[in-house]
Amino acid sequence: AQTVTQSQPEMSVQEAETVTLSCTYDTSESDYYLFWYKQPPSRQMILVIRQEAYKQQNATENRFSVNFQKAAKSFSLKISDSQLGDAAMYFCAYTYSGAGSYQLTFGKGTKLSVIP
Amino acid sequence: DVKVTQSSRYLVKRTGEKVFLECVQDMDHENMFWYRQDPGLGLRLIYFSYDVKMKEKGDIPEGYSVSREKKERFSLILESASTNQTSMYLCASSGKGYNEQFFGPGTRLTVL
Repeated sequence: AQTVTQSQPEMSVQEAETVTLSCTYDTSESDYYLFWYKQPPSRQMILVIRQEAYKQQNATENRFSVNFQKAAKSFSLKISDSQLGDAAMYFCAYTYSGAGSYQLTFGKGTKLSVIP
Repeated sequence: DVKVTQSSRYLVKRTGEKVFLECVQDMDHENMFWYRQDPGLGLRLIYFSYDVKMKEKGDIPEGYSVSREKKERFSLILESASTNQTSMYLCASSGKGYNEQFFGPGTRLTVL
């Protein structure tokens, strides 16, 4: 069974600084997707960034980027120029991209605080 | 924009009551999901549905059932609510062949 591990239950960062959230996963599949979701205190979960396993290039969305290390099964999220609005729970998630796959497997989350 | 709505943001019920949580999506998505979110445990999948009238058990289906009579609507049912079902419930949907899930705002259920 696939598992997703986020080893940092809580982290903090100074406003305007850079922070990296860690995620590792376990799978025997070669073709899959990885996601980072953000859940602000209002509770609406939104997608931050997505990475396809077959792509070697790391995904980037504005101030958010990932470091995808397929061999190491590592998928970290880097937030640059942190802003107060980045304070949230961040969840790493995995899904197999084969036919009939629907489920996301989530990590337990990392609570990020941004210090003014 | 994809919109997933849930019938209530907050709900308080008594032990033994039958509870219905409803979820509606407006993007014609095939797949719909119910998760339970608890501190330190992340999101755990209760049930999902990949088509009307179809349902599959997730990781923690015990004590829950679901209904999907229309494509846009997916209901979670607690036949006899218990205090250990006090939690945040999140609904999500995704399109066929597309793995990104879109989430609703959640329902905070308290069972007394």
